[in-house]
Amino acid sequence: QVQLQESGPGLVKPSETLSLTCAVSGYSISSGYYWGWIRQPPGKGLEWIGSIYHSGSTYYNPSLKSRVTISVDTSKNQFSLKLSSVTAADTAVYYCARRYGKINWFDPWGQGTLVTVSS
Amino acid sequence: NFMLTQPHSVSESPGKTVTISCTRSSGSIASNYVQWYQQRPGSSPTTVIYEDNQRPSGVPDRFSGSIDSSSNSASLTISGLKTEDEADYYCQSYDSSNFVVFGGGTKLTVL
Repeated sequence: QVQLQESGPGLVKPSETLSLTCAVSGYSISSGYYWGWIRQPPGKGLEWIGSIYHSGSTYYNPSLKSRVTISVDTSKNQFSLKLSSVTAADTAVYYCARRYGKINWFDPWGQGTLVTVSS
Repeated sequence: NFMLTQPHSVSESPGKTVTISCTRSSGSIASNYVQWYQQRPGSSPTTVIYEDNQRPSGVPDRFSGSIDSSSNSASLTISGLKTEDEADYYCQSYDSSNFVVFGGGTKLTVL
């Protein structure tokens, strides 16, 4: 059974870079599938950030593309998110999830990690 | 890019049937599959419907999905409502460039 677990700092200062990692267990990333990041500001809805294939091919939300980098480390069976120049608007629970190829279905999801942007 | 519009909230009594709509702003709803996720407070989203009308194993058949090209919308129907169905529900789809969109979410209250 595939499981995903997000990790990273819970507090980031404005203008700095948010960095999160998603560790995957129960499945080898290099075997296939896309993997994605989604976020949810407190009390609000879900927003797709981007997705990555094990080969490194990526798709990003155009509204965040200039600040986002998603990378994959198959040797550690994990993928990562970097979001630069953060502001308070980037405060959210960040989820990682497996994406089923062409249908863009996200399942399962990690438990999520809250990142607060504040000085 | 496109948007998916959902009602902010719906409510119904236990045992009844409720339908949540999800309207696509541009592009055909039938061109790309729609997924539905359930999110209980403090928990991660879980899938209740994928590929417009497919239920993952473990999801009861009280949950069903459909699309209507005439209104360019998708619907999630929950029959025989139970108090445990009270949650936020999100529709999700994408376009040909793999741009992924989530609806704004609908809060279901089972009175």
